[in-house]
Amino acid sequence: GQQVMQIPQYQHVQEGEDFTTYCNSSTTLSNIQWYKQRPGGHPVFLIQLVKSGEVKKQKRLTFQFGEAKKNSSLHITATQTTDVGTYFCAGLGSSNTGKLIFGQGTTLQVKP
Amino acid sequence: SQTIHQWPATLVQPVGSPLSLECTVEGTSNPNLYWYRQAAGRGLQLLFYSVGIGQISSEVPQNLSASRPQDRQFILSSKKLLLSDSGFYLCAWSKGLGPMGTEAFFGQGTRLTVV
Repeated sequence: GQQVMQIPQYQHVQEGEDFTTYCNSSTTLSNIQWYKQRPGGHPVFLIQLVKSGEVKKQKRLTFQFGEAKKNSSLHITATQTTDVGTYFCAGLGSSNTGKLIFGQGTTLQVKP
Repeated sequence: SQTIHQWPATLVQPVGSPLSLECTVEGTSNPNLYWYRQAAGRGLQLLFYSVGIGQISSEVPQNLSASRPQDRQFILSSKKLLLSDSGFYLCAWSKGLGPMGTEAFFGQGTRLTVV
């Protein structure tokens, strides 16, 4: 079945350093979504990418969708302590099933 | 505006007892509905999803079941809980399918501890 793999599982960075998390799907995706979950909270939507090769930016966050629509990345420039949390990618399959599969998430810790 | 309600927020249940978690969505019609489970420090495991009343897709064989008795109501149940059922259960909704599928909106979650 459809699987979404995400690496790394954990990342500790010094404040001001950059951070990247990678997401790979076993199947072609209709779209890829990114979420952030703060400790003790629920996942909150960040962005959605639909087109092959699409790149979107939100301030210090850059999101990319691969040409084959099977991989994606989230890059944070100059991390801040407010970036702490777990970042999940989620893939919506190419067939119209409504099935939304999440990656395992990358937990980011930022040392001030 | 759309809202999603999930309750209870926390639950402690003995092994072998039944379970019923309820989730309702307001302000939209015919949403896609999802139940996820998150073990401590782990990712989101898709348990069930539904694209319409009476349509339930199960992802992981287990002693849990789901039902959608109304368009905007999604229920997660178990007849007999196991210790391994402990976790953070999240209900979510979204709209559309395929490339038009929208983001998922999550409820606050239910933290279930089976003792």
